[in-house]
Amino acid sequence: AQSVTQLGSHVSVSEGALVLLRCNYSSSVPPYLFWYVQYPNQGLQLLLKYTSAATLVKGINGFEAEFKKSETSFHLTKPSAHMSDAAEYFCAVSDPNLGSARQLTFGSGTQLTVLP
Amino acid sequence: DTAVSQTPKYLVTQMGNDKSIKCEQNLGHDTMYWYKQDSKKFLKIMFSYNNKELIINETVPNRFSPKSPDKAHLNLHINSLELGDSAVYFCASSQFARGVTEAFFGQGTRLTVV
Repeated sequence: AQSVTQLGSHVSVSEGALVLLRCNYSSSVPPYLFWYVQYPNQGLQLLLKYTSAATLVKGINGFEAEFKKSETSFHLTKPSAHMSDAAEYFCAVSDPNLGSARQLTFGSGTQLTVLP
Repeated sequence: DTAVSQTPKYLVTQMGNDKSIKCEQNLGHDTMYWYKQDSKKFLKIMFSYNNKELIINETVPNRFSPKSPDKAHLNLHINSLELGDSAVYFCASSQFARGVTEAFFGQGTRLTVV
């Protein structure tokens, strides 16, 4: 079974500061990994995905994440936070070997607050 | 054009009622899902359909019955609604054949049972 742990249910940063949201996964096989963002009263939007091509993945809105197998981590970063980044962020994992049963398993989410 | 659309966006109903949530995707995907997001924002898979065939049926009360009339639609019917069913329900779709299962999500349906 796969699982995802997001450390820190709430993270606050100042505008312009570095954003670091932590995600650790547990998987018996090399997984696919995703970061999604959810703005209030909206659905989930894909930020970026890791599919075993490159370990450093760039996404939308200036976010990037690095896959570190030795640490089983896939932390999300952004060099400079913007007020519009305030949202809920979800890390998710899927098992490439499950065929069409390849659903996403989500972490518990991290609420990012950006302070002026 | 909205890629994955759900209706209604809000649903308030009394305990014991039966209700349906509709989902349609215009992305040409072959796999559709229902996820439930609880009050603590935790997301969990409920069902998955691939080419109209039920693939995943997590531990969900049998009061919940998905129906997929075609690959572009996956509806969720809920019988005898209970207070604990209050949550946000998300429909999603992905294309299995392309390998990577990034899912596209609808806007969600906020169900409130009173």
